[in-house]
Amino acid sequence: DAKTTQPNSMESNEEEPVHLPCNHSTISGTDYIHWYRQLPSQGPEYVIHGLTSNVNNRMASLAIAEDRKSSTLILHRATLRDAAVYYCILRDNVGSGAGSYQLTFGKGTKLSVIP
Amino acid sequence: SQTIHQWPATLVQPVGSPLSLECTVEGTSNPNLYWYRQAAGRGLQLLFYSVGIGQISSEVPQNLSASRPQDRQFILSSKKLLLSDSGFYLCAWSASLTGARQPQHFGDGTRLSIL
Repeated sequence: DAKTTQPNSMESNEEEPVHLPCNHSTISGTDYIHWYRQLPSQGPEYVIHGLTSNVNNRMASLAIAEDRKSSTLILHRATLRDAAVYYCILRDNVGSGAGSYQLTFGKGTKLSVIP
Repeated sequence: SQTIHQWPATLVQPVGSPLSLECTVEGTSNPNLYWYRQAAGRGLQLLFYSVGIGQISSEVPQNLSASRPQDRQFILSSKKLLLSDSGFYLCAWSASLTGARQPQHFGDGTRLSIL
């Protein structure tokens, strides 16, 4: 999976919107952009994914740049429960074999939410 | 909706003892199933994945084994635990659609400590 770059940490006030950036300048045409988060002592949680168009679900929105070299995860109103490490990863939706199943997280962005 | 159950949440075992961790998925049929291990402060290591009953692929040679006796049941076992088997074990599932890069959904994990 291609490489992504995220800030190490970010802070947000509770009930404010949060924009978590991710750069992926080497993205290929078949790479989907996936976001996961992991709260302390819990398993990772899938958040959202997209290919070219912006995506919305009950958890968040994903804004994808026109050239697809960057994307932003948007939490519309941060709550204390959103404090977690957020991972942006690229997943090639073609190909098969063992390597295609492995989820590889980078260091992610540690989001702190201030009450 | 789909749910994944993994138990126990924590486990303390002596070196050389056997292990059995169980994972079940509800609300979906023929899911892909995964066992990961996450060492403290590190990324995910895919241990096993399964695309169907009785079909197990192993990613890392070790003294662990996995079995899938039923469509939505995945078991991680060991005959004799080593100190190096300590870690956070995560079960996950994904839809078995074409395109290996389906989102994966994780259980709450089992924290295994070997004494």
